[in-house]
Amino acid sequence: GESVGLHLPTLSVQEGDNSIINCAYSNSASDYFIWYKQESGKGPQFIIDIRSNMDKRQGQRVTVLLNKTVKHLSLQIAATQPGDSAVYFCAENIRGGFKTIFGAGTRLFVKA
Amino acid sequence: KAGVTQTPRYLIKTRGQQVTLSCSPISGHRSVSWYQQTPGQGLQFLFEYFSETQRNKGNFPGRFSGRQFSNSRSEMNVSTLELGDSALYLCASSLTTRLETEAFFGQGTRLTVV
Repeated sequence: GESVGLHLPTLSVQEGDNSIINCAYSNSASDYFIWYKQESGKGPQFIIDIRSNMDKRQGQRVTVLLNKTVKHLSLQIAATQPGDSAVYFCAENIRGGFKTIFGAGTRLFVKA
Repeated sequence: KAGVTQTPRYLIKTRGQQVTLSCSPISGHRSVSWYQQTPGQGLQFLFEYFSETQRNKGNFPGRFSGRQFSNSRSEMNVSTLELGDSALYLCASSLTTRLETEAFFGQGTRLTVV
């Protein structure tokens, strides 16, 4: 079925290091991309988004990069903290489709 | 401001039964989407509603259906339950119909089919 894929299913980083989570998407018609964080027992929580007319967007400790040429999306987390441990999903909205397609998720482990 | 509320939180049903899940969006949000999340999988889109109209549907069998009421509350129904329907069902609401709109998720309903 439709999906947005991820390069790494799990990622383990040391506290204080930077984390990079990658994602490949397949639909050229996608106009809007989002990263979500899901902690155990909770629903996904919005982290940051980016429109297709941008290639970079920064938030608080997070940066999303979009490379439309190779259909690649990445989430960078600076100075990773134990509270960042969660599953991270990339997602795409297809123009006019009124639906969001999620990737399989990457689990981030932060070692103290 | 209350978040997205899903009820019930947990549910156990027997194969062949049917189930109805409820979602109350954030006040003022008119778009509601439903997703199925299974272990090891990403979230799979079920359907999206806006102003009581289903605007899109995912690749699920007809046993999965939904509706939205005039107050934007939404329900989804699964008939003739199968073991494979065991999953976390998530609901998300959005403020507008614009493409770039942040979706807010509820905590989900954990459905177990035995």
